[in-house]
Amino acid sequence: DVKVTQSSRYLVKRTGEKVFLECVQDMDHENMFWYRQDPGLGLRLIYFSYDVKMKEKGDIPEGYSVSREKKERFSLILESASTNQTSMYLCASTTGSEKLFFGSGTQLSVL
Amino acid sequence: GESVGLHLPTLSVQEGDNSIINCAYSNSASDYFIWYKQESGKGPQFIIDIRSNMDKRQGQRVTVLLNKTVKHLSLQIAATQPGDSAVYFCAENPPGTYKYIFGTGTRLKVLA
Repeated sequence: DVKVTQSSRYLVKRTGEKVFLECVQDMDHENMFWYRQDPGLGLRLIYFSYDVKMKEKGDIPEGYSVSREKKERFSLILESASTNQTSMYLCASTTGSEKLFFGSGTQLSVL
Repeated sequence: GESVGLHLPTLSVQEGDNSIINCAYSNSASDYFIWYKQESGKGPQFIIDIRSNMDKRQGQRVTVLLNKTVKHLSLQIAATQPGDSAVYFCAENPPGTYKYIFGTGTRLKVLA
């Protein structure tokens, strides 16, 4: 069965900390995505990657960076966490323009 | 904790009835559409998809209808069950882009 695994379900961090969110997919997908999900706003794209070491900014990249050193792994980095980055973070993957497979999400709280 | 659905429209249906959830999509050029189900505290799960060369597609207990004239997508769930209670949202994929555009969702409540 298809699997997208996010390393943490819940994280609590302090303002100013560097935060790493990890995502691994086992489907050999080229495309991987990071979204954040906030009440009433739907899913907003932070970054996506269409190949190893390739990345493109999404709609809300400010305050975030990403890393894709291997095809199966896509990491989201909050360089200096702020309270307005408290959110549910969702990783997804797909091949071509096909359905996205999502991970279970990471609920991040920044205090 | 739940971070989804605090301000969502809600559809309440009796167990066993049919449910219809609607979505207005934004880009008339979009050629691929997906419905997702998201239960509390979980990631979205794929339900059904449809491409723009079709206007109807059926799955197990679910049907998606696409009306390109008015940019409208609907999800019909037959014989709704308690396990169908969740937030449902649509996604569209314009051609030539990796990006997907998501609706904000509808909460479905199934009444026993």
